[in-house]
Amino acid sequence: KAGVTQTPRYLIKTRGQQVTLSCSPISGHRSVSWYQQTPGQGLQFLFEYFSETQRNKGNFPGRFSGRQFSNSRSEMNVSTLELGDSALYLCASSPLTATTGNTEAFFGQGTRLTVV
Amino acid sequence: GQQLNQSPQSMFIQEGEDVSMNCTSSSIFNTWLWYKQDPGEGPVLLIALYKAGELTSNGRLTAQFGITRKDSFLNISASIPSDVGIYFCAGVLNAGNNRKLIWGLGTSLAVNP
Repeated sequence: KAGVTQTPRYLIKTRGQQVTLSCSPISGHRSVSWYQQTPGQGLQFLFEYFSETQRNKGNFPGRFSGRQFSNSRSEMNVSTLELGDSALYLCASSPLTATTGNTEAFFGQGTRLTVV
Repeated sequence: GQQLNQSPQSMFIQEGEDVSMNCTSSSIFNTWLWYKQDPGEGPVLLIALYKAGELTSNGRLTAQFGITRKDSFLNISASIPSDVGIYFCAGVLNAGNNRKLIWGLGTSLAVNP
């Protein structure tokens, strides 16, 4: 079974630009979560999607948005990039349903975004 | 927001030593998860714990779900250089029909060969 796939692996953008990151979850997984990780920091939760609906949201500005498609693939978008948005963006998929199922999250390798 | 207290923040040990780290919280969790992250990679699930008091091993790794359901620890025995990385704990909270993962800030482990 293929793991979580994130594309691209590396990205360099200029301040003010926007960026879209993609995540393909493990087949059969319906929950996709996004995290931001900066050096020395833990995992900062961005949002979680389940069955194309945003179910949970972290404390990030509205410049950060996401969506999930019917095949469970997810994208996140960051508009008007700032230098502080430079980070490793991680996607995690989980097999959980709304009320049952295992809750382990399986991570992709991440997208390293550098804003210059 | 909610957060787990993970300690220690960092450790520097000699190869062959045992390592212990833990996570505590004021909240009760239904599941505890332990992950390891290598530099530039995504975290990899090491051990999942589902029941209070549960003790689970994965090779040289052993983790326990605290009886109070508010804490968990991870032990690594006979450390080797490839154990280097950041170890994260995560607790799973049930909130109605929703579930949330709450993360610790990580324990950075360095092993001196």
